[in-house]
Amino acid sequence: DTEVTQTPKHLVMGMTNKKSLKCEQHMGHRAMYWYKQKAKKPPELMFVYSYEKLSINESVPSRFSPECPNSSLLNLHLHALQPEDSALYLCASSSLAGGSLASTDTQYFGPGTRLTVL
Amino acid sequence: GESVGLHLPTLSVQEGDNSIINCAYSNSASDYFIWYKQESGKGPQFIIDIRSNMDKRQGQRVTVLLNKTVKHLSLQIAATQPGDSAVYFCAETPLGDMRFGAGTRLTVKP
Repeated sequence: DTEVTQTPKHLVMGMTNKKSLKCEQHMGHRAMYWYKQKAKKPPELMFVYSYEKLSINESVPSRFSPECPNSSLLNLHLHALQPEDSALYLCASSSLAGGSLASTDTQYFGPGTRLTVL
Repeated sequence: GESVGLHLPTLSVQEGDNSIINCAYSNSASDYFIWYKQESGKGPQFIIDIRSNMDKRQGQRVTVLLNKTVKHLSLQIAATQPGDSAVYFCAETPLGDMRFGAGTRLTVKP
């Protein structure tokens, strides 16, 4: 299995809602990532988990709360979002073959969740 | 700050021609580079990678060239097909903190 899956594919939520995005991989990868991608822009890194621990938080607002319950799953909990948070949210994973976050780890991406905040 | 960028935002080629997509990077400490292809409504798809101790790497119909002297990366696609139409991103990955370039939209004309 060489796939990263994300659910849901599309999500529409109001600014007072609480929702969660889910990501799953069964490649045995020990690093997982959340990215945000606005239209016609490159993906921007939000969070990195290595060995189920948060390693990198790119100064993301607290209304985004990541969670890594096990090595195969990554969640992104959403609360009190703003319309400008509407974007494609991408999950990725990499192997950590060298034992730590390394520059030569290829990241494999899921299809993304298209989020619209009303 | 240091960044990864692309020279051309759009590229239109005839089916069957070769395509060249360019990327400039400024982080001299970067030692690993990746090209991704992103089709509409999909996540980025890995195409090919290259480490800084190499200057060329070939895949199936694709070749990546790295010129560390001028901090330039290019992706060559041979015999471009309609299915190659997508946005192409270069990325560098210092310490797991991957940074993408702005992207180039490749359009293949039949």
